[in-house]
Amino acid sequence: DAMVIQNPRYQVTQFGKPVTLSCSQTLNHNVMYWYQQKSSQAPKLLFHYYDKDFNNEADTPDNFQSRRPNTSFCFLDIRSPGLGDAAMYLCATSKGWGNIQYFGAGTRLSVL
Amino acid sequence: GQQLNQSPQSMFIQEGEDVSMNCTSSSIFNTWLWYKQEPGEGPVLLIALYKAGELTSNGRLTAQFGITRKDSFLNISASIPSDVGIYFCAGEDTGNQFYFGTGTSLTVIP
Repeated sequence: DAMVIQNPRYQVTQFGKPVTLSCSQTLNHNVMYWYQQKSSQAPKLLFHYYDKDFNNEADTPDNFQSRRPNTSFCFLDIRSPGLGDAAMYLCATSKGWGNIQYFGAGTRLSVL
Repeated sequence: GQQLNQSPQSMFIQEGEDVSMNCTSSSIFNTWLWYKQEPGEGPVLLIALYKAGELTSNGRLTAQFGITRKDSFLNISASIPSDVGIYFCAGEDTGNQFYFGTGTSLTVIP
């Protein structure tokens, strides 16, 4: 059974139209991560939550925001998607920082 | 920041052949992980390694935590078509930072 669930699996948006991707987990892990992955590249960490504490990577554009209303859910908001934001977005969770990360199946975002 | 270099970048092999790939870092790691990612899916954990010299198997997969703590190896024996995918190493350094490798793309020809 899937333990990290991402919705939707595929999302199409228009240039500049805000979009929200969601992630939920049944593992009760306290750390949740959002990664951006472009074709054939390694996942790139955007930010993570350690419990309710939000941690932004230094090079994550301001266009990307995140919300974690409770332990189980985390959202990625892209305020004004550009063509360069088309990518696979991966959510992951871990029990504590630096421990094994478990990934969702990802959301493939297309920007028209 | 730190980058984990994986080698080779891509492999094309015949079904039944063995596969070897490795991952190297410029600093010491406390943990090494190997993930497999199939097209359109998220990475799935294959093997986790926690101690220098550790050798761990998962079916036809065997991974080792290098003695220097700066590298790790993954071997796949008797490859089959469903082994196709991108294999990523990942690990945690002594500063508790987590990094992904550059990936090895594996194609198995039936």
